Amino acid sequence: ETGVTQTPRHLVMGMTNKKSLKCEQHLGHNAMYWYKQSAKKPLELMFVYSLEERVENNSVPSRFSPECPNSSHLFLHLHTLQPEDSALYLCASSQGPGFSSYEQYFGPGTRLTVT
Amino acid sequence: ILNVEQSPQSLHVQEGDSTNFTCSFPSSNFYALHWYRWETAKSPEALFVMTLNGDEKKKGRISATLNTKEGYSYLYIKGSQPEDSATYLCAFLNQAGTALIFGKGTTLSVSS
Repeated sequence: ETGVTQTPRHLVMGMTNKKSLKCEQHLGHNAMYWYKQSAKKPLELMFVYSLEERVENNSVPSRFSPECPNSSHLFLHLHTLQPEDSALYLCASSQGPGFSSYEQYFGPGTRLTVT
Repeated sequence: ILNVEQSPQSLHVQEGDSTNFTCSFPSSNFYALHWYRWETAKSPEALFVMTLNGDEKKKGRISATLNTKEGYSYLYIKGSQPEDSATYLCAFLNQAGTALIFGKGTTLSVSS
């Protein structure tokens, strides 16, 4: 148990659906992250929020829309996804501002399948 | 384009063997290097965050060294145990603090 929870753990959605992934951290951290892990690829950073403000958007398609309503919660809203978006989506948090030398604490991930 | 390379891609050792693997990263604009262990069906777990050239960190049987001038870090596991079986990831953080780039990882399998 890392103190970072993600729901749902598994999600199957059609290309026309709209769904949201949720992440919650119980560690009092200031920064939260979304990562994508595709098969045989390294972890790819998608979004970074520091003190509830987005500080990085790594050229992610607009069909992925993040939301950080407070420092403990992070959402990833999904709409009109493509099959190639099927992947493991990991949330993480860290103390201090985003992208610092503080270690990151990861959630268990959401395994997303787009049909 | 920033590249972080890890080698070997996978490794199989016997219980009790000592092993090491490499993370190579850009030597310019270095700020920090992270090491994580990712066991199957679990979350990645932080092992070390290293910032100083020549730094050496240790956690139990696992240790890591850092050479920022030549752009590499080694992770060592002494006396491997089956519970060490996992994928070990390194991640490079640049000085501007605008990129945390992960390698593909080294997958270690330890058999008893």
